[in-house]
Amino acid sequence: AQKITQTQPGMFVQEKEAVTLDCTYDTSDPSYGLFWYKQPSSGEMIFLIYQGSYDQQNATEGRYSLNFQKARKSANLVISASQLGDSAMYFCAMRPFGNEKLTFGTGTRLTIIP
Amino acid sequence: DVKVTQSSRYLVKRTGEKVFLECVQDMDHENMFWYRQDPGLGLRLIYFSYDVKMKEKGDIPEGYSVSREKKERFSLILESASTNQTSMYLCASSSGDLPVNQPQHFGDGTRLSIL
Repeated sequence: AQKITQTQPGMFVQEKEAVTLDCTYDTSDPSYGLFWYKQPSSGEMIFLIYQGSYDQQNATEGRYSLNFQKARKSANLVISASQLGDSAMYFCAMRPFGNEKLTFGTGTRLTIIP
Repeated sequence: DVKVTQSSRYLVKRTGEKVFLECVQDMDHENMFWYRQDPGLGLRLIYFSYDVKMKEKGDIPEGYSVSREKKERFSLILESASTNQTSMYLCASSSGDLPVNQPQHFGDGTRLSIL
């Protein structure tokens, strides 16, 4: 079974600062994928970034990057130069390769302060 | 772009009613999923389907059933709604080819209140 832990229920960050959202995971599967989703107050889940367990480099997508530390089983999301529109819930999720089911963490509510 | 459409954004029903939540995707995806989202608990998988007429229980299937008669449509059924089923329900789909980096695509969610 997989488990995702997001220890920050809420965070407040000043606009234009960088922010790191923590995610640790537990799995016995040797191969897996890690995903981050953003959920604005409107409710839709927006896929942000993916990291494969065998990827040699940390994933980046625009202002989003993933600080992947496999030995520590952590996959923290880094948002550079935060914007007011980044205020949302953020979920970390994982699935083993060959398995369709995603396991989600409990989420972090990020609020960007002007 | 993948489009996953849930039939209602908001729904109010009474205890004991049979409730249907509908989800349609337009990308010919094999896999479809129903999640429930509650504060502090994240998203929990109720049921998923990997083909027409096929279904598998997720982590919290009690009190729910599903139907997938056509590939593009996946319905969640609350057989006899109860107040503890008040929640946000999210539908998702993904390709059965399952490229490892492909995400699930979500609908906008249905906020269901059971009175």
